[in-house]
Amino acid sequence: AQSVTQLDSHVSVSEGTPVLLRCNYSSSYSPSLFWYVQHPNKGLQLLLKYTSAATLVKGINGFEAEFKKSETSFHLTKPSAHMSDAAEYFCVVSSAGGGADGLTFGKGTHLIIQP
Amino acid sequence: KAGVTQTPRYLIKTRGQQVTLSCSPISGHRSVSWYQQTPGQGLQFLFEYFSETQRNKGNFPGRFSGRQFSNSRSEMNVSTLELGDSALYLCASRYLAGGSYEQYFGPGTRLTVT
Repeated sequence: AQSVTQLDSHVSVSEGTPVLLRCNYSSSYSPSLFWYVQHPNKGLQLLLKYTSAATLVKGINGFEAEFKKSETSFHLTKPSAHMSDAAEYFCVVSSAGGGADGLTFGKGTHLIIQP
Repeated sequence: KAGVTQTPRYLIKTRGQQVTLSCSPISGHRSVSWYQQTPGQGLQFLFEYFSETQRNKGNFPGRFSGRQFSNSRSEMNVSTLELGDSALYLCASRYLAGGSYEQYFGPGTRLTVT
């Protein structure tokens, strides 16, 4: 079985300040981990993925995430927030073999950018 | 390369009716998955198809079914619609089935059941 916990349902930051979206996971197998972003009335867009290579993963739009096995965490960061980053962010876990559960999604973190 | 397309984008149905949603994956992708997104339950996995075979299935009643064609296009069917089936239905494709392959999502079909 696998699960994902996004620790904050809402995060509010000012434009130009750092962003931190927190994610903890559990998995019986070596996990693959993903971050997706969903803008209003849109589908999900892949930001980045971790698949047991480098623990620091760089994604699109300046986002990156660090896989920490000892802490079972995969937090998403960005040095400087932009207004266009306002969206819903999902942390996702998938077991190495795909698993009967497919992808397991966190509940999402709503990122608010203050001007 | 064209992305994942879903049709229709919006749909309004009445309780008791049935509905069919369609998904065309990215060219070359052989795996198609379906998800239901609601405000209360978030994103939930419905099923995944690979090479016309259902590979995985989530915890949904038998009213939810799907299939995949030889060109990898997929359809999802919901019979005897209930009010609680109102949701955004997302389709995702990936090159192969397997946890390390990232999925690419379509824009979704917004289903409203009245």
